[in-house]
Amino acid sequence: AQRVTQPEKLLSVFKGAPVELKCNYSYSGSPELFWYVQYSRQRLQLLLRHISRESIKGFTADLNKGETSFHLKKPFAQEEDSAMYYCALKAVGGGSNYKLTFGKGTLLTVNP
Amino acid sequence: EPEVTQTPSHQVTQMGQEVILRCVPISNHLYFYWYRQILGQKVEFLVSFYNNEISEKSEIFDDQFSVERPDGSNFTLKIRSTKLEDSAMYFCASSEVGFQYFGPGTRLTVT
Repeated sequence: AQRVTQPEKLLSVFKGAPVELKCNYSYSGSPELFWYVQYSRQRLQLLLRHISRESIKGFTADLNKGETSFHLKKPFAQEEDSAMYYCALKAVGGGSNYKLTFGKGTLLTVNP
Repeated sequence: EPEVTQTPSHQVTQMGQEVILRCVPISNHLYFYWYRQILGQKVEFLVSFYNNEISEKSEIFDDQFSVERPDGSNFTLKIRSTKLEDSAMYFCASSEVGFQYFGPGTRLTVT
């Protein structure tokens, strides 16, 4: 069975400060990892997926298989980054047909 | 950009009643999903649907739940006899093979 852990329920930083949202996973196979973001009263939107290795809105995330982590980072937080962030894992193969397993989410607040 | 849509945005029902939550996935997508999020808890997988049949379901998805793709565009989740603990936000999602696009959700309140 797969599991995603986001240890911080709440994270508060000041504008311009670096931010790191932690995500650890547990899965015996080869996972795909995603970060989804949910702005206030909006739908879940894909922010990043590890296989694309891109930077979106200044955010990056690197899959570290040794530490089973997929932390989300941004060097300079902006007020508009305030949102709920969910780390999610897709088990590839093993009979699990693409379902996502989510962490509990981290509410990021960027203060002016 | 195409979006997944869901109706209604909020549904209030009495315990024991049947509810149908509706979703219109993105038109060329092949995989469809339902997730739910109880207030304050994580988003949980309910069921996935591909090629007109359920491909996977979670232990939450018991006999009270069913899904259907009645036509070429809609994807529905039915709860036959709602319980108080079914109160949650229900999200529909669709995908090709890659990442999943989510709808805005339906807030179900069971009284």
